[in-house]
Amino acid sequence: DTGVSQDPRHKITKRGQNVTFRCDPISEHNRLYWYRQTLGQGPEFLTYFQNEAQLEKSRLLSDRFSAERPKGSFSTLEIQRTEQGDSAMYLCASSPGQLHTGELFFGEGSRLTVL
Amino acid sequence: AQKVTQAQTEISVVEKEDVTLDCVYETRDTTYYLFWYKQPPSGELVFLIRRNSFDEQNEISGRYSWNFQKSTSSFNFTITASQVVDSAVYFCALSPTQGGSEKLVFGKGTKLTVNP
Repeated sequence: DTGVSQDPRHKITKRGQNVTFRCDPISEHNRLYWYRQTLGQGPEFLTYFQNEAQLEKSRLLSDRFSAERPKGSFSTLEIQRTEQGDSAMYLCASSPGQLHTGELFFGEGSRLTVL
Repeated sequence: AQKVTQAQTEISVVEKEDVTLDCVYETRDTTYYLFWYKQPPSGELVFLIRRNSFDEQNEISGRYSWNFQKSTSSFNFTITASQVVDSAVYFCALSPTQGGSEKLVFGKGTKLTVNP
């Protein structure tokens, strides 16, 4: 039974560099979500896909952030020109149906440290 | 605006004690959903319960129970006879339904430590 997989688990980068995270959802889950969690805080919603369509984006998702889900399977989250404030855990979740009728299955996250 | 407040930052209990985690929410939506998630040290959030705003019945699942009171905008979570394995950060979350939003608004979490 394969859960939500995220890669890499840890990434250390220098300010100004670009980073990309990958999320592989549970097979056949058509909904995929990205959240960001900083130390001592709850997760904050970034964006949501239904199949390959990006249907909802948070204002937190600045121009430096872009997410894709090209074939409706895995997704990537890219951060360009990283800043120290981007340091956080980036969580991916997937769901077989609507949030209100099902549950989100979260991955273990990708921790980003920007020096 | 949607907001979830978990006033208890950290709670420490001794095994077998009962413990209640508080959650207060704010929303202007008439229809909404409330959730509890558990985040153990491994970091992976685990779904515990979902409740819609029209269902105020309390729910019990084993040692876990939830008390939803719309009048006080609260959705509290009680663990009976706590165990060391219950040690984790617990998050309460709110999902609005207006506009078909699929986002969860999380509180800051309550870190529960159960000591043997």
